[in-house]
Formats: sequence, C-alpha cells, structure tokens
Amino acid sequence: GAGVSQSPRYKVTKRGQDVALRCDPISGHVSLYWYRQALGQGPEFLTYFNYEAQQDKSGLPNDRFSAERPEGSISTLTIQRTEQRDSAMYRCASSWGPGELFFGEGSRLTVL
Amino acid sequence: KNEVEQSPQNLTAQEGEFITINCSYSVGISALHWLQQHPGGGIVSLFMLSSGKKKHGRLIATINIQEKHSSLHITASHPRDSAVYICAVDNNDMRFGAGTRLTVKP
Repeated sequence: GAGVSQSPRYKVTKRGQDVALRCDPISGHVSLYWYRQALGQGPEFLTYFNYEAQQDKSGLPNDRFSAERPEGSISTLTIQRTEQRDSAMYRCASSWGPGELFFGEGSRLTVL
Repeated sequence: KNEVEQSPQNLTAQEGEFITINCSYSVGISALHWLQQHPGGGIVSLFMLSSGKKKHGRLIATINIQEKHSSLHITASHPRDSAVYICAVDNNDMRFGAGTRLTVKP
C-alpha cells in the first residue's frame, strides 16, 4: 500500500475483553515495529519483526500482550484481558531494513 | 535512567530564532532517528543518521558516535515548526526519548 495502515483507528472495549490491533506495513518493508504512546508521553517500544521473525519482545509489558507477523507482512498485536492501564495509542512503523521509519496513524485503545 | 535522554523537555522560541534540541543515549546503536509529531498525533521521520551530519531545508541533524550524542537544529524557526521532536535510537530494537515540545511564537 501507499503507507502504513492501522486498524481499527479507534477501539473502545470493556475491561477484561481481548483486542486485536492490525498493522499493514508498506509493501516490501522488512522491519515492522510496534509502539504505544500514552497521552503526553513519548512512544514506548513494544516489539519488532524482521520478516516474520519476532526479534525482540522485551518491551511487551506482560504476557497479556503478544504479536505476530505470520507471513512477514501484516502484523497483529493482541492484548488479552484488557485493563484500564492498557489505554493508549498503539502505533506501528515499518522500514526497509535499517532505513527511514514510516509510521501509521495509530490505533487509539480505550479500556473502560 | 532512560537509555535515551532529550533536552530540553519544552522549548519556546520566537519566530526566526535558531533552535537546538539535544539527544544523548547510553547504548550502542546502528542508527538514530529524529521524528516529528504534530498536535494531530501523526509521526513523520525527519532524519536517519549513523554518522556525521544531514541537512534538509532548514533542518540540520548531527551525530557524534563517540560521544553518543545527537543534535537537531532548526534555522529561521517558524510557527509551523511547532511540534514534538523525538529522538529514537536503533539498537536492534527502538528506544525513544521522551520528546521535546517546541513552540515557536510569531
């Protein structure tokens, strides 16, 4: 696609529900990064992939968070048993290897 | 201690002033990114540096690998430069500074 696409743009859910956030990177981009950003804060790294391989998941806050990129393109970030503290903007970025980052518009998650 | 420290946190300038935003990091890196986030929330990449200096229009970015320090300069600042500027270091993952909120007044 022309840019990094994320969906849904907005998600409101009740505490305890599972959510899945999708990132569709720029076609051909090898690296895909997931971040989250609380209001007024800088981005916080969550995890990243090279192709389909998850390279580093040290930024995932706990085991309720998981991510996959099974075919090396679209990625899904899943949050199980959501909690209010999970509320944030979840952003995805992609790059062709060690190159310029291209960011999606983000998915704003609100957990009630 | 954060692995990526930015200063200042907030910066207010008059139109036309020369702006410098600093980034220091404590880890080995393969590249450093300067990002711009506008009030609407979208993030765009300004520069990716692994050494030396890059210039794009009124923006200049420098990096000193030995000192683990980078600076972003804006010459002849303009109100439309008002944004949050974020430094991010690539160390097989991505670590971000907290950002510098720049306000340029007319």
